[in-house]
Amino acid sequence: KAGVTQTPRYLIKTRGQQVTLSCSPISGHRSVSWYQQTPGQGLQFLFEYFSETQRNKGNFPGRFSGRQFSNSRSEMNVSTLELGDSALYLCASSLVWASGSPDEQFFGPGTRLTVL
Amino acid sequence: LAKTTQPISMDSYEGQEVNITCSHNNIATNDYITWYQQFPSQGPRFIIQGYKTKVTNEVASLFIPADRKSSTLSLPRVSLSDTAVYYCLVGDSFQKLVFGTGTRLLVSP
Repeated sequence: KAGVTQTPRYLIKTRGQQVTLSCSPISGHRSVSWYQQTPGQGLQFLFEYFSETQRNKGNFPGRFSGRQFSNSRSEMNVSTLELGDSALYLCASSLVWASGSPDEQFFGPGTRLTVL
Repeated sequence: LAKTTQPISMDSYEGQEVNITCSHNNIATNDYITWYQQFPSQGPRFIIQGYKTKVTNEVASLFIPADRKSSTLSLPRVSLSDTAVYYCLVGDSFQKLVFGTGTRLLVSP
């Protein structure tokens, strides 16, 4: 079974631009989450989508948004880029078991975004 | 959200057993303890998860004392390829799992 894929793997943008990142989850996984990882802040939860609906959201400004399509693929958009948005953006997918324990997250390789 | 405290870094040699302890004094009744491993330029990978006592799988063991205020990830006979960052997370759903900065394990020959 193929893993989580993310495109592009590397991206360079300038301040003020916007960017769209794409994530394809593992087949059968309906939950997709996005994370931002920086050396200073570590790995932080951005938001989670399930059945095309944003189900949970982290503490990030409205410039960060996302969506999920009917095939569970997800995109994340960052508008009006700032230098501080330079980071590794990770996507993770999971089955939703509702077992009472946290579902195992399967992470993709990430997209390295550099804002100049 | 339950806060966790773990060592910033640890050093070991090939073939040794490594134990990484995580402190989570304000763990809630419904919280589980989950460990992830991350290699450079890769996304984290699930290692093990437990609620109480001991859990063992093919790569690690997780020891949780009765009061659940701490836990220990045990990696038997580490190899160079175990050099990575290890994250201890506590929560009842993955949305509440805070990754923090983890423990950077360096395994030397």
